[in-house]
Amino acid sequence: DSGVTQTPKHLITATGQRVTLRCSPRSGDLSVYWYQQSLDQGLQFLIQYYNGEERAKGNILERFSAQQFPDLHSELNLSSLELGDSALYFCASSAHPGRGNNEQFFGPGTRLTVL
Amino acid sequence: DQQVKQNSPSLSVQEGRISILNCDYTNSMFDYFLWYKKYPAEGPTFLISISSIKDKNEDGRFTVFLNKSAKHLSLHIVPSQPGDSAVYFCAASPLGAGNMLTFGGGTRLMVKP
Repeated sequence: DSGVTQTPKHLITATGQRVTLRCSPRSGDLSVYWYQQSLDQGLQFLIQYYNGEERAKGNILERFSAQQFPDLHSELNLSSLELGDSALYFCASSAHPGRGNNEQFFGPGTRLTVL
Repeated sequence: DQQVKQNSPSLSVQEGRISILNCDYTNSMFDYFLWYKKYPAEGPTFLISISSIKDKNEDGRFTVFLNKSAKHLSLHIVPSQPGDSAVYFCAASPLGAGNMLTFGGGTRLMVKP
């Protein structure tokens, strides 16, 4: 158990819909990361938040957005869903991002299926 | 453009022998490297990391070697155990850029009893 929790575990929805994925980091971790793992693309970095502020952005679609709240939990919002958004979405957390200290601990993931 | 590559999609090893998993990268800005292990239906689990100022890091049965000039790293598992059977991902992090991880495609390791 990494200490990172994600809900829900599974989500099935229809094209055009909007969903919210939730992540609670390990106790004491200030940084949260979101990754997408689809069948043909491996693990892809989406976005990072540090202490409530966006810190880095990867290949995140404009239809996707995220935020980190004062209690440090994070939500990833996916809207206008398409079939190709079906994937595993992982959240990870780390303590203080910095040189030589970037071990990220991953949650169990949310499996999103868009029908 | 894959900046981190694991060219072997799978590897089969006998229990007790050495497992060697390889990873190549192209981005010279990467300065921190990590290995993760992943079981089905679970998130990746951190195994071991290495900074670019080192060429070797050991933790129990796991050793990571880094060859900066060749932009190559490897994970050695000695001795291999059936419980090591999983998908292994190498990941790299660039200097200062928010610590985002770029992952390789993974290598499925099967350790036979």
